[in-house]
Amino acid sequence: EAGVAQSPRYKIIEKRQSVAFWCNPISGHATLYWYQQILGQGPKLLIQFQNNGVVDDSQLPKDRFSAERLKGVDSTLKIQPAKLEDSAVYLCASSPSRYNEQFFGPGTRLTVL
Amino acid sequence: AQTVTQSQPEMSVQEAETVTLSCTYDTSENNYYLFWYKQPPSRQMILVIRQEAYKQQNATENRFSVNFQKAAKSFSLKISDSQLGDTAMYFCAFMKLSSSKLTFGTGTRLQVTL
Repeated sequence: EAGVAQSPRYKIIEKRQSVAFWCNPISGHATLYWYQQILGQGPKLLIQFQNNGVVDDSQLPKDRFSAERLKGVDSTLKIQPAKLEDSAVYLCASSPSRYNEQFFGPGTRLTVL
Repeated sequence: AQTVTQSQPEMSVQEAETVTLSCTYDTSENNYYLFWYKQPPSRQMILVIRQEAYKQQNATENRFSVNFQKAAKSFSLKISDSQLGDTAMYFCAFMKLSSSKLTFGTGTRLQVTL
């Protein structure tokens, strides 16, 4: 069974630029999560989707971050414009349903200069 | 809001020895899950073990076991017969049953040495 796929694996941008990350969850997984992991910290949930609907986006900085999950499969996370403090690893995870084990992707390491 | 505290930033253990990683949490919830996740260097995070708060019996998975003390809000991970492949960051995480959101601690970096 293929795992959670994410791309790109690494991205370097300058502040005020835009960036987008892509996630392809495990086939059949209804729930998808985006986490932000700043160096030296544990992951922090940004947004959670159930199929193509948002369940929780309370910690998503909506003035600059946006996310969508069209057709309840793939998802994209966008930052526009990026700030220095957005430098982090962005992890995507999926699970068969909301209370099952979450399977994590390899992450996208973002560096904002 | 829930908080998860891991007070050991780094630990080291020799191969074949036993090590215990500590985790405490704060919550007013009565029903929740607790997890230990492993994040090897440059590799993705994987679930090590899971504990349901309503279960009194401590969870075990091969060489990994937990000591769950609900009243003390403590959830430690014991790794027996440590192996070089156990070298990783270990995160303790909390999930309340009314939400599937994971709240993570800051992690413990475990180094297994020869």
